Formats: sequence, C-alpha cells, structure tokens
Amino acid sequence: QSVLTQPPSASGTPGQRVTISCSGSSSNIESNPVTWYQQLPGKVPKPLIYGNDQRPSGVPDRFSGSKSGTSASLAISGLQSEDEADYYCATWDDGLNGRVFGGGTKLTVL
Amino acid sequence: EVQLLESGGVLVQPGGSLRLSCAASGFTFGSFAMSWVRQGPGKGLEWASGMSGSGRSIYYADSVKGRFTISRDNSKNTLYLQMNSLRAEDTAVYYCAKERGSGSWSHYYMDVWGKGTTVTVSS
Repeated sequence: QSVLTQPPSASGTPGQRVTISCSGSSSNIESNPVTWYQQLPGKVPKPLIYGNDQRPSGVPDRFSGSKSGTSASLAISGLQSEDEADYYCATWDDGLNGRVFGGGTKLTVL
Repeated sequence: EVQLLESGGVLVQPGGSLRLSCAASGFTFGSFAMSWVRQGPGKGLEWASGMSGSGRSIYYADSVKGRFTISRDNSKNTLYLQMNSLRAEDTAVYYCAKERGSGSWSHYYMDVWGKGTTVTVSS
C-alpha cells in the first residue's frame, strides 16, 4: 500500500489532454514539493516535473504539474503515442522522514 | 556526461548479505546527495535510502531500516548499499540516483538514474 494514491491506469487518444492525480496528506504533499517521474517501457525513470510545476530542461511543455492542498496532478496535453508509460508522483513525508512514491499510473494511448 | 553505474546484484539466499556499488562520473560527486531506489518485479518504485554529499545526513525507508546501510566514498566517487538479513520481498532492481535541489531534502528530486542492478533473494 503506497503512501501516495494514484489511479492504476489512465488512457486517452492522440491529441487529447489527460490528467493523472496523486493524493496524499498534510505530512507529505501539503507540506512539500511534488515530483513526477516518467518510466517508458523497459527504461529507467526520468523526472518530468519537479517543485510541483517546474519542468527540467528538455521536457516538452505539453507536460504540466499542479498542486492544491493534499493533492497533486500531472496533465499531458496533445497526447502522443510515445507518452505511453508509467507515471509516478513522489514527495518527502515529514512523519516518515523519507521520500514516498505513489503506486504509479499506467498511461495507455488508444 | 553524468553517468551512474550500479553493480553487485546477484542471487542470494534469504537471510544473506550483499553490497551494492554505484560508480559515478561526470560531476563533482561529493557535492551531491544520492539515493537508492528499488523496483520489485512488475511493481512500482520504492525509495530505499538517501545520503547527503558529506555523508552527515542519512535517511532510510521503514522497510529497510535496521537491515540496510548506505555509505559513500567521495575519494572513489562511489555510493554503496550494504544489505543484510535479506528477504524475498527485497527482490528488485536497485537504482542509484543523483539528487538535485537546494535547501532541505524535501526540495530535492532525483535527476539522473543509473540503469540498475538486479537483486534476487531466493532459496
């Protein structure tokens, strides 16, 4: 059971906008910045969003992040087939004094 | 180019021990915090442990606390994970990751990941 809760799956058609949610609590998401990681099939995870809404260099602006209270969201606009991957949210938990991940969301592009 | 190369993953019996290594290159190793993250077969990511650049700050997930020990040798640009009392549920790919950010650990994120090394705990 993950500390952060994500839907196990999401889907969309090319060109669509999809959002993935990440639910936590006052000791993690509400208090600390959220990072989103993308793991393409058979590949190593890479950061997509850090600091709730910042994109690392090289990440397309189709990807955006937001946070409100104890929840965070990742939005992908102009969905492309190469976006098919697993997406994970992560943040620091002050109670556990460690980093926690969501269980991951498998995004399928139909 | 920043690179991380993990090694040391093998098949080990329950209750056994193992030490993983992560050789870093392409950046000033001692200036950055580092973490170990694992991923069980068909499962999600789980952060296991982290250490500051100086080695003074160390953190563990509850699932490994008391059994795993993180360490680093900045003169060798290498991060380690000593794993004792191994259990079947420790079976996973173990990734080494470089931390990026400023201030406290809560503001860090893992910007570079190694390719991972596989640990299998089975009799």
